[in-house]
Amino acid sequence: DIVMTQSPLSLPVTPGEPASISCRSSQSLLQSDGYNYLSWYLHKPGQPPHLLIYLGSNRASGVPDRFSGSGSGTEFTLKISRVEAEDVGVYFCMQALQTPTFGGGTKVEIK
Amino acid sequence: QVHLQESGPGLVKPSETLSLTCIVSGDSISSNRHFWGWIRQPPGKGLEWIGNIFYSGSTYYNPSLRSRVTISADTSKNQFSLKVTSMTAADTAVYFCARAAMLRGIITGVDSWGQGTLVTVSS
Repeated sequence: DIVMTQSPLSLPVTPGEPASISCRSSQSLLQSDGYNYLSWYLHKPGQPPHLLIYLGSNRASGVPDRFSGSGSGTEFTLKISRVEAEDVGVYFCMQALQTPTFGGGTKVEIK
Repeated sequence: QVHLQESGPGLVKPSETLSLTCIVSGDSISSNRHFWGWIRQPPGKGLEWIGNIFYSGSTYYNPSLRSRVTISADTSKNQFSLKVTSMTAADTAVYFCARAAMLRGIITGVDSWGQGTLVTVSS
């Protein structure tokens, strides 16, 4: 299995400030087609997870442009340019190059 | 707007079979643009991919669960189902049904999720 490792586990943030979450995979997620099969999600309490970023850096429909994804191969980053109160929840990454596996999650909360 | 809703028992006895159904609205499971799958999350633990089905009926199962899992689809009702045999306490989890977008047969992202249903295994 491809192991996905996220950091940090917990991220206290100040509204209006930037935030960054790291996701590392045990194998490269860069496919021969040039795409990284890595996606990011936000799971808010009481709601199902929702897709933020797919193929490493593409924002899903309706996702605010303060969210961005970057990276390639085994190192990926999700950035929030200016955190808003509604961004709290657990963020996780997922690879789908092999049997899909998920990162352990990063809990984002307001300071 | 696609909507997925899980249905099934919240309590299953050890050694019994879990049966869950995902009712889909707003999209057709007969479409060749998506996989339809099941994901679970045990309390306090991470997410685990269970498996998925394609419109053709082809299925993929997580090797860790393959011997106990069956996913099937009923296109006439626009729903798909999950069966897990020989349930144990380790199978206690929130079970999500989901729709996954794909590119050349590889999942690019899970773009719709059901609310999730908690299944507890206990006698």
